[in-house]
Amino acid sequence: DTGVSQDPRHKITKRGQNVTFRCDPISEHNRLYWYRQTLGQGPEFLTYFQNEAQLEKSRLLSDRFSAERPKGSFSTLEIQRTEQGDSAMYLCASSMGLLNEQYFGPGTRLTVT
Amino acid sequence: KNEVEQSPQNLTAQEGEFITINCSYSVGISALHWLQQHPGGGIVSLFMLSSGKKKHGRLIATINIQEKHSSLHITASHPRDSAVYICAVAYSGGGADGLTFGKGTHLIIQP
Repeated sequence: DTGVSQDPRHKITKRGQNVTFRCDPISEHNRLYWYRQTLGQGPEFLTYFQNEAQLEKSRLLSDRFSAERPKGSFSTLEIQRTEQGDSAMYLCASSMGLLNEQYFGPGTRLTVT
Repeated sequence: KNEVEQSPQNLTAQEGEFITINCSYSVGISALHWLQQHPGGGIVSLFMLSSGKKKHGRLIATINIQEKHSSLHITASHPRDSAVYICAVAYSGGGADGLTFGKGTHLIIQP
């Protein structure tokens, strides 16, 4: 297994457009996390899944954001009607259970113009 | 508010120096992570610990649960250690199961 992968690595979009990112976790990991990181700051938690169930959503996750993990494997994060404030690095991580190491993907850098 | 504080924010040192980065947090945790982030964004997990001390090569991480404090040490530092080091905690007692991150310590090791 080659680790956590994310696609695309970079996305430039115009304000108001919808974007979707994909995360493929390490195959045997049941937990999948989405984080957002803006320049000069540490990452911030957005949401996580245990298998296909979305168990927690941060207050940062407005109604324009939706995440899915339909078969408990890969996950998608969609942002509707993007705003300039959505520009950030979106990071995905996976782990086997709560108290285990999280493995991070390379991130998707979103720029909203 | 559950916060994670790191110090220093920036650190420049000469090759070979012993490096210490500190992390403090405000409430009980189930685990603390030290992460390394290189330019370009990739994050690598260095340690996950809930008590005591762990060592991997030139890196040592310690945690004091009573004082809510952890340190990351780098011995015989090298320019390739230059990166942002991030402390993150998983809080116990309910709430978000995602990690809460510090802002990171930007380390530069000069040859």
